[in-house]
Order: sequence, then structure tokens, then C-alpha cells
Amino acid sequence: GQSLEQPSEVTAVEGAIVQINCTYQTSGFYGLSWYQQHDGGAPTFLSYNALDGLEETGRFSSFLSRSDSYGYLLLQELQMKDSASYFCAVRDQGGGFKTIFGAGTRLFVKA
Amino acid sequence: NAGVTQTPKFRVLKTGQSMTLLCAQDMNHEYMYWYRQDPGMGLRLIHYSVGEGTTAKGEVPDGYNVSRLKKQNFLLGLESAAPSQTSVYFCASSEDTSNTEAFFGQGTRLTVV
Repeated sequence: GQSLEQPSEVTAVEGAIVQINCTYQTSGFYGLSWYQQHDGGAPTFLSYNALDGLEETGRFSSFLSRSDSYGYLLLQELQMKDSASYFCAVRDQGGGFKTIFGAGTRLFVKA
Repeated sequence: NAGVTQTPKFRVLKTGQSMTLLCAQDMNHEYMYWYRQDPGMGLRLIHYSVGEGTTAKGEVPDGYNVSRLKKQNFLLGLESAAPSQTSVYFCASSEDTSNTEAFFGQGTRLTVV
């Protein structure tokens, strides 16, 4: 089976940098994704890592270490609008590609 | 471009009633998924489909059935609703490659009383 662990809540101030960690266990790993979800909204895709290393997309970066089954999402220059839930998700190939999500990290950005 | 559309957006059911949630996508995606989201539980995969005419069980399939008769549609059925099925249901679709994002519908908020 698959399992993902991430912190339930993180609080940071506007303009700061925050890192959200994710560890995973899966049988057929094909990549780690990150999604953002605002209250009442649908999850939206942020980034994907299939290989070890850092992927940067504007203020957001995502890192993966396959040997450690670990990844993180880095948010820089935090803005109030970044207050949301962030989910890590593994792309698993067992039975056809499917995406399994972690429980999510609630990010609170304070002024 | 509508993307992924779910109907209905809200529904209240009595215990034991049945209903079908409809998901439609216009991106010609092979893969479609149904998730439920409960507070503190994240998104849990109910069933998914890797192509027209195929379905497979996810993490929490009990009490649900699905059908994928047409590539663009993925139906989720509740034959006899239970209060434990009160949740927000999300449909998603993706291409059939390993490194691709999932596109989500806006969700269906279902309450079973």
C-alpha cells in the first residue's frame, strides 16, 4: 500500500520562507506532486518531481530525494493569498497510474 | 474550455437513498478518478478508470460503484447512502503518462441524514 506523512499545520509571516515536508511509502513510485487547495475550492497542481533534485516555479520550489523517500515544498516571499492547504501526492503505477494524496498541511500566513 | 465538470454541486440525501454523481471532462484524458475529502483526512481515492470501459478500486471503494461507458464521463453511484458517506467528492482527470498533473472538478458536497 501507500502512505504519506506531512505536518498538519504550519504558520509563517508574510514575506518569510516556509518548507513543508513529506515522507512517503509506496510500492510503485513514479513521482511526487504538490497541490494547493484554498477553502471551498478544488485542488490545483503546483509541481511534480520524478527525479532527485530541486524544481523551481516562481516563488515555489519542490525537492525530491528518492533514496530517502522524502520531498518538500518551499514557498518563498510568502503572501497572504498563500494561506491554503498543501497536499503532497505520489504517482503510483500499481494497477495503472493513480495519484494518492497525503492528509495535507494547513498553512497560515500572518501579517 | 470547461475542463472537469461535476454535477450536482450540492445534495442532501436520506439514509438508504441512492444517487449518481456525474463527472465530465473535455480534455480527452484517459484517466479519471473519484476522491472523497473529509476534514483532516486529505483526499482519498474511491475508484478510478484508466480508459473507457475500465474501472478499478482505490483506497476506499466500499459502498460505491462507478462506470465509464464513455471516455469523457465517469459516474459515481451510491446505492444505499449512509451518514458515513457525508463528504465532499472530487472528480479528477489526467493523461495516461506517469508525470502528469490531475485536473479537478469543483466538488460535490453531499450530506446524508
